[in-house]
Amino acid sequence: EAGVVQSPRYKIIEKKQPVAFWCNPISGHNTLYWYRQNLGQGPELLIRYENEEAVDDSQLPKDRFSAERLKGVDSTLKIQPAELGDSAVYLCASSLYAYSYEQYFGPGTRLTVT
Amino acid sequence: AQTVTQSQPEMSVQEAETVTLSCTYDTSENNYYLFWYKQPPSRQMILVIRQEAYKQQNATENRFSVNFQKAAKSFSLKISDSQLGDTAMYFCAFMKHEDSNYQLIWGAGTKLIIKP
Repeated sequence: EAGVVQSPRYKIIEKKQPVAFWCNPISGHNTLYWYRQNLGQGPELLIRYENEEAVDDSQLPKDRFSAERLKGVDSTLKIQPAELGDSAVYLCASSLYAYSYEQYFGPGTRLTVT
Repeated sequence: AQTVTQSQPEMSVQEAETVTLSCTYDTSENNYYLFWYKQPPSRQMILVIRQEAYKQQNATENRFSVNFQKAAKSFSLKISDSQLGDTAMYFCAFMKHEDSNYQLIWGAGTKLIIKP
């Protein structure tokens, strides 16, 4: 069974440019998470989806970040425009349900904004 | 608000030795879950072990075991017979049990290096 798939793995952009990250969760997993992980820190939740509904986006900087999960399967996280401080690893994770004990993580996208 | 503290930014031990990573947390909740996740270099985060707060028995998964001290709000991870493949960042995390939020609260991580 395939794990959580993310693309691209690495992205380098100039500030003020847009960027998008894609995530395909494990088949059948209803809950999808986007995290941001800064160097030397634990992940920080940006948004959580239950099927296609965003049920927790309180930590998402909505002035520049947007996300969607069409049809409750794969998801896209977008930043427009990117700032230097957005440089981080963006992790996608999925779980069978929100109350599932285990979250399965993708390999992440390392974003560098210059 | 819940917080998770990992006081050891980095540790290193020789292969085959036993190492203990510490984690403390702060909560007023009685029912919750605690987790240790492992993030190898350039590889994805995986769950190592979990503990339900209502269980008194410490969780064990092969060479990994925890020392859960609920009153002290301490949750340490012991790795026995350490192997080179154990080199990774280790994150302690907390989740409330009865909360529709189901949000994981993460520590800052401990970088563990296993030396040959």
